[in-house]
Amino acid sequence: GDSVTQMEGPVTLSEEAFLTINCTYTATGYPSLFWYVQYPGEGLQLLLKATKADDKGSNKGFEATYRKETTSFHLEKGSVQVSDSAVYFCALSYSGGYNKLIFGAGTRLAVHP
Amino acid sequence: DTAVSQTPKYLVTQMGNDKSIKCEQNLGHDTMYWYKQDSKKFLKIMFSYNNKELIINETVPNRFSPKSPDKAHLNLHINSLELGDSAVYFCASSPTSPVSYEQYFGPGTRLTVT
Repeated sequence: GDSVTQMEGPVTLSEEAFLTINCTYTATGYPSLFWYVQYPGEGLQLLLKATKADDKGSNKGFEATYRKETTSFHLEKGSVQVSDSAVYFCALSYSGGYNKLIFGAGTRLAVHP
Repeated sequence: DTAVSQTPKYLVTQMGNDKSIKCEQNLGHDTMYWYKQDSKKFLKIMFSYNNKELIINETVPNRFSPKSPDKAHLNLHINSLELGDSAVYFCASSPTSPVSYEQYFGPGTRLTVT
């Protein structure tokens, strides 16, 4: 079946450091890929998405590229801020399947001043 | 205006009780979902409704019964609560026409069973 694997956290960084959170997926078809973010005590928010191979999603300085050859969708940010501290979830879904989201386990990011 | 709202935000109850969680969305979406987030933050879909019709039921115990009175509401009723039901439950919605891949999540309901 389809699945998503994320690097285990927590990831602890100093402010302005470079961030990479690895995400790989296993899929039977051609899914869309997402990064969702969950700030403390809140629900999930869509951070970025990519709907086909080689697409790059970007938002708020975060980027991720849909790599079909490596089945990956790694999240990157060039300079993190304390306000980026949150749990990040990689996920996939298919169009036409009522968009059931399959999530990775989540990676907690803690950014220190 | 809140797009997807859930009530209550916190729910503490004893084993064996029956409880309900309500969800409402004002986005005009026709598909709604329930997800469960366990203590390790792992998220998994439980149910999905499209136009009040159940379309996804991910091997959830029969004690859980979703109800969709209309497209804007999806409630979750849980019978005979167990300790293992303690989790955060998230409601979400998305449009299916035109096709959209984004789901909008509510703030969550933290259920604690003692």
